[in-house]
Amino acid sequence: KQEVTQIPAALSVPEGENLVLNCSFTDSAIYNLQWFRQDPGKGLTSLLLIQSSQREQTSGRLNASLDKSSGRSTLYIAASQPGDSATYLCAVNPSNTGKLIFGQGTTLQVKP
Amino acid sequence: NAGVTQTPKFQVLKTGQSMTLQCAQDMNHEYMSWYRQDPGMGLRLIHYSVGAGITDQGEVPNGYNVSRSTTEDFPLRLLSAAPSQTSVYFCASSSFPLGQGPKRTQYFGPGTRLTVL
Repeated sequence: KQEVTQIPAALSVPEGENLVLNCSFTDSAIYNLQWFRQDPGKGLTSLLLIQSSQREQTSGRLNASLDKSSGRSTLYIAASQPGDSATYLCAVNPSNTGKLIFGQGTTLQVKP
Repeated sequence: NAGVTQTPKFQVLKTGQSMTLQCAQDMNHEYMSWYRQDPGMGLRLIHYSVGAGITDQGEVPNGYNVSRSTTEDFPLRLLSAAPSQTSVYFCASSSFPLGQGPKRTQYFGPGTRLTVL
């Protein structure tokens, strides 16, 4: 059974720092992996999607990498800002059915 | 486009009551799904649908019913509410199979916060 884990559960950094959020999964047979952002009391917003054949995707200050063989993905946030404060979730799509399997999330606080 | 809309935003039920959580999307997406989010457990899939008239169970389907009579709507019914169903419920939609570019992602509604006393 596919399991997705995100460590740490919470992270606090000063503004301007570069940071890495980690996501690991137990079954390397995935179709794609997505990173989402969730603000308190809100729904999820997709940040980046990496297909299984890709190594990384970039959007602005965000870079997501995927290493299927080791079952790991990272989300790199450059020059963090207070507006980046949110919960970040990674989700694995095992077979292009849209039946996502989510990690528990990492709650990020960026202090001014 | 309104995207994915959910009603109500908040709901309090007593044990044993039934209710329907509404979900609608205006993006002509074939795929729709329901998740619940509990503290420390991430989101878990309840039911999903790949098109009108087609539904299937996810990871945690017990106590919930769904139907899909139109492409736009995917209501979630709680048959007899229990305190264990206290959670935040999210509806999501996407094109199916997941296509290229912006169509690849799933779009989530704002959620319904349900408390069962």
